[in-house]
Amino acid sequence: NAGVTQTPKFRVLKTGQSMTLLCAQDMNHEYMYWYRQDPGMGLRLIHYSVGEGTTAKGEVPDGYNVSRLKKQNFLLGLESAAPSQTSVYFCASSYPAGDTRDTQYFGPGTRLTVL
Amino acid sequence: AQSVTQLDSQVPVFEEAPVELRCNYSSSVSVYLFWYVQYPNQGLQLLLKYLSGSTLVESINGFEAEFNKSQTSFHLRKPSVHISDTAEYFCAVRGTNKYIFGTGTRLKVLA
Repeated sequence: NAGVTQTPKFRVLKTGQSMTLLCAQDMNHEYMYWYRQDPGMGLRLIHYSVGEGTTAKGEVPDGYNVSRLKKQNFLLGLESAAPSQTSVYFCASSYPAGDTRDTQYFGPGTRLTVL
Repeated sequence: AQSVTQLDSQVPVFEEAPVELRCNYSSSVSVYLFWYVQYPNQGLQLLLKYLSGSTLVESINGFEAEFNKSQTSFHLRKPSVHISDTAEYFCAVRGTNKYIFGTGTRLKVLA
């Protein structure tokens, strides 16, 4: 049982390049999330998904796209990277609200630097 | 709209001293509250949560938090901290389909 895994762990991009971050979970969770963490700002939600084939915008969605083609995977894409997207990105998954098992399980993070 | 406020960005405390990390929330719906801990260069891990029932909840490593509906608070406490408790602590409230996090409190335990 690996929990939530993220690929890659580190990445350096040049401005304008594109990339995709992969998140996978093996807990059969319906809900998945992408956050970014910046110093002094806590975790900010980028996009989330409440089930396979669904996605929704979070607090800071601009410049990012997501896809949830399979229940266990949630992809985060940067079409044209900008220095403002330098951050640590975390993926998480959870059961639906109201489930007594309600909690989020986080991946180890991806540290992205955009030059 | 739901929100979470952690007023203290950093809390230094000496080893074996007590500590309280403050969390206040605003919510107009049923309240589910969480504390997560993040050790350096790691993801967040659940520390404890309140979904219903007893307003005092405890973690396996000695932390506790009390849900106070009248003061809209969910403060985290530990009677005696260890060096290994040095980490960043996040309070969160469950919203519809998502969680809302506070900005975090960095706890530094001094020898």
